[in-house]
Amino acid sequence: AQKITQTQPGMFVQEKEAVTLDCTYDTSDPSYGLFWYKQPSSGEMIFLIYQGSYDQQNATEGRYSLNFQKARKSANLVISASQLGDSAMYFCAMRLNQAGTALIFGKGTTLSVSS
Amino acid sequence: EADIYQTPRYLVIGTGKKITLECSQTMGHDKMYWYQQDPGMELHLIHYSYGVNSTEKGDLSSESTVSRIRTEHFPLTLESARPSHTSQYLCASSELRGNEQFFGPGTRLTVL
Repeated sequence: AQKITQTQPGMFVQEKEAVTLDCTYDTSDPSYGLFWYKQPSSGEMIFLIYQGSYDQQNATEGRYSLNFQKARKSANLVISASQLGDSAMYFCAMRLNQAGTALIFGKGTTLSVSS
Repeated sequence: EADIYQTPRYLVIGTGKKITLECSQTMGHDKMYWYQQDPGMELHLIHYSYGVNSTEKGDLSSESTVSRIRTEHFPLTLESARPSHTSQYLCASSELRGNEQFFGPGTRLTVL
């Protein structure tokens, strides 16, 4: 069965520091996509970054980068130079390309950034 | 910026009422989805659609129903709301071959 595991319920970081949010996944399908979403307290889901299973390079989007280690089945999100506005819940998600486009979500990690 | 809208944003109703949560998108996306999220928890897919007149149930069993008569509109209906339906409901859409799912702002439903 497909599964996303986020083992950090909460993370704390100071402004301007980098932080890594962990995500491991489980699937036997060779073709899949991995996503990270940010959910502020207001509730909306904000897309951050995407990594395809066949992508050779790690994805980067501004201050966000995805550390994709296929053999370990991990897709950690790295936020560089944290800002107060980064405080939110972060969800890792996976989509199997062959089975449709529904996302399977992890339980999320709450990130708190302090000044 | 994603153009996907949900109304109402907040709804408090009594047990037994029929409600419809609205979701509309102006991006012409074929695929639309409904997720349910309890506070502080992960999202679970409850319904999805690949296009007009196409609807499927998701992984999480739900007593709600959906319809897709127009591409841009994907309403979710609860015939008789119960306190167990209290949750946040998030609508999303994506292109047929797109990677990103765009989410609406969500509807926070409380059933008393």
